[in-house]
Amino acid sequence: AQSVTQLGSHVSVSEGALVLLRCNYSSSVPPYLFWYVQYPNQGLQLLLKYTTGATLVKGINGFEAEFKKSETSFHLTKPSAHMSDAAEYFCAVSDRTYNTDKLIFGTGTRLQVFP
Amino acid sequence: DVKVTQSSRYLVKRTGEKVFLECVQDMDHENMFWYRQDPGLGLRLIYFSYDVKMKEKGDIPEGYSVSREKKERFSLILESASTNQTSMYLCASSSYPRNEAFFGQGTRLTVV
Repeated sequence: AQSVTQLGSHVSVSEGALVLLRCNYSSSVPPYLFWYVQYPNQGLQLLLKYTTGATLVKGINGFEAEFKKSETSFHLTKPSAHMSDAAEYFCAVSDRTYNTDKLIFGTGTRLQVFP
Repeated sequence: DVKVTQSSRYLVKRTGEKVFLECVQDMDHENMFWYRQDPGLGLRLIYFSYDVKMKEKGDIPEGYSVSREKKERFSLILESASTNQTSMYLCASSSYPRNEAFFGQGTRLTVV
């Protein structure tokens, strides 16, 4: 069965610094991978997704992620953090078996941005 | 604009009550999901549905049931609410196959 591991439940960076949020996955089939962001008291919003093709995926708000099959990783990065990036971030993998289709989530990483 | 709407943002219920959480999507998606979110545990799948009247258990179905009588609506039912079901509940929908899920705003349920 597919699974996702997010290393680091909390990450703190200074405004303007590089953001790196780690995600490793386990999948028995070619994975579809997703990053979501959740702002306080809100639902989840899609940041970006990898399905097939180019392994570097660009998303909203300046975020990007690189699919590395050899490392089973899909880490999320942003070159320069902004205060508005403070939120919780979730990595997810698509688990498809027979005719069912569901997302398996990691435990999340809370990003703090200091001025 | 795509939309998943959950009927309540905040609910307070008493132990033993039967609780209904409603979710409606306007995107004609085949798949609908109910997740529970707790600090440090991420999102855990309670139930999902891939078609009208079809449902499958997720990772933590105990104490919950679901209903999907129409394609756009997916209800989560707490048969007899307990304090350990105090949580944030998130509904989502997606189209087949393997597409991203769209989420509602969440319902924060407190059972007292």
